[in-house]
Amino acid sequence: DGGITQSPKYLFRKEGQNVTLSCEQNLNHDAMYWYRQDPGQGLRLIYYSQIVNDFQKGDIAEGYSVSREKKESFPLTVTSAQKNPTAFYLCASSIERDSGELFFGEGSRLTVL
Amino acid sequence: EDQVTQSPEALRLQEGESSSLNCSYTVSGLRGLFWYRQDPGKGPEFLFTLYSAGEEKEKERLKATLTKKESFLHITAPKPEDSATYLCAVITNAGKSTFGDGTTLTVKP
Repeated sequence: DGGITQSPKYLFRKEGQNVTLSCEQNLNHDAMYWYRQDPGQGLRLIYYSQIVNDFQKGDIAEGYSVSREKKESFPLTVTSAQKNPTAFYLCASSIERDSGELFFGEGSRLTVL
Repeated sequence: EDQVTQSPEALRLQEGESSSLNCSYTVSGLRGLFWYRQDPGKGPEFLFTLYSAGEEKEKERLKATLTKKESFLHITAPKPEDSATYLCAVITNAGKSTFGDGTTLTVKP
């Protein structure tokens, strides 16, 4: 089955630690995205990538970093510089950047202790 | 600044009680409007894309419509399994997407 796989589903982190969230897709989509969702709020774009080895900042990129070394993979690192990292993180992909129709993974819930 | 506002924030219905969810938007150059369904602790699932005023899309008990200022998601004779958060999103001609905060629908048997 084609889809997007995020791991881990739950992650706990101590303050001051960096953590990396994994996102893998087998849909052969060019574009990939990371969103953050806080309770009762919509999705906010962290980073997106239209093609391998290229990525762009979204609306809330501070304290996050990404890489796109392979078409299938788009990991997100939440760094210690992110002041309020506890949130639900969603990875998505689309056929191309401007297609609008997004396919989402199941999400990763990060809790900072 | 592009804005997407969904109302109501929460909606409780009895099974079989039809209603509508609203998504109003203010964007510069709308390319498309999207509806997603999100179950608790899960990623959103795509429902519909609407591109122009007057367009309508249907899927089972759901029907989405679009005007120049807003979109409605009509739910006809809902069932408890329709309970979820429904998200609206727009994408502009510049390729920028904006999500609303969602409407949480609860359907009681």
